[in-house]
Amino acid sequence: AQSVSQHNHHVILSEAASLELGCNYSYGGTVNLFWYVQYPGQHLQLLLKYFSGDPLVKGIKGFEAEFIKSKFSFNLRKPSVQWSDTAEYFCAVTEAGGTSYGKLTFGQGTILTVHP
Amino acid sequence: EAQVTQNPRYLITVTGKKLTVTCSQNMNHEYMSWYRQDPGLGLRQIYYSMNVEVTDKGDVPEGYKVSRKEKRNFPLILESPSPNQTSLYFCASSSQGWGTEAFFGQGTRLTVV
Repeated sequence: AQSVSQHNHHVILSEAASLELGCNYSYGGTVNLFWYVQYPGQHLQLLLKYFSGDPLVKGIKGFEAEFIKSKFSFNLRKPSVQWSDTAEYFCAVTEAGGTSYGKLTFGQGTILTVHP
Repeated sequence: EAQVTQNPRYLITVTGKKLTVTCSQNMNHEYMSWYRQDPGLGLRQIYYSMNVEVTDKGDVPEGYKVSRKEKRNFPLILESPSPNQTSLYFCASSSQGWGTEAFFGQGTRLTVV
């Protein structure tokens, strides 16, 4: 069974600091990987996704993530955070191929608090 | 506007009183799913559906039922709610399985007393 682990439960940064949130997954086959963001009081929105090709993927709002297959990792990065990035971030994995029969597995989430 | 709509947004109920949370999407998506979100546990899948009349259990299906009689609707039914089902619930849909982007509803915050 697939699983996702996010090691940081709560990260606190000042504006302009750099961000890296860890995500490791467990699955024996080919995967699709996602980062979702949940702003306070809102629903989840897609930040970025990896399906294949260049392991460095760029998403919205200056976020990027790197897929390292040998480490089963998909860490999220941003060079300079803003107060508006305060949110909860979820890493998710699903079996590749588009026929994964509904199994989208999420990590526990990382709360990011950015102080002005 | 493409969206997933859940109702109600907030609900307080008593133990044992049957309730239904509705979910509707206007994107003609085949795949729909229900999740519950609890602090420190992330989102856990309750049930999912690949198409009309095709549903299957997720990771935490106990105490829940679903039905998919129409493509656009995927209600979540709690036949006899208990306090451990107090949670934030999200419905999601996707066009071609979960390898593509999932669209989420606004959430339903349920409290069972």
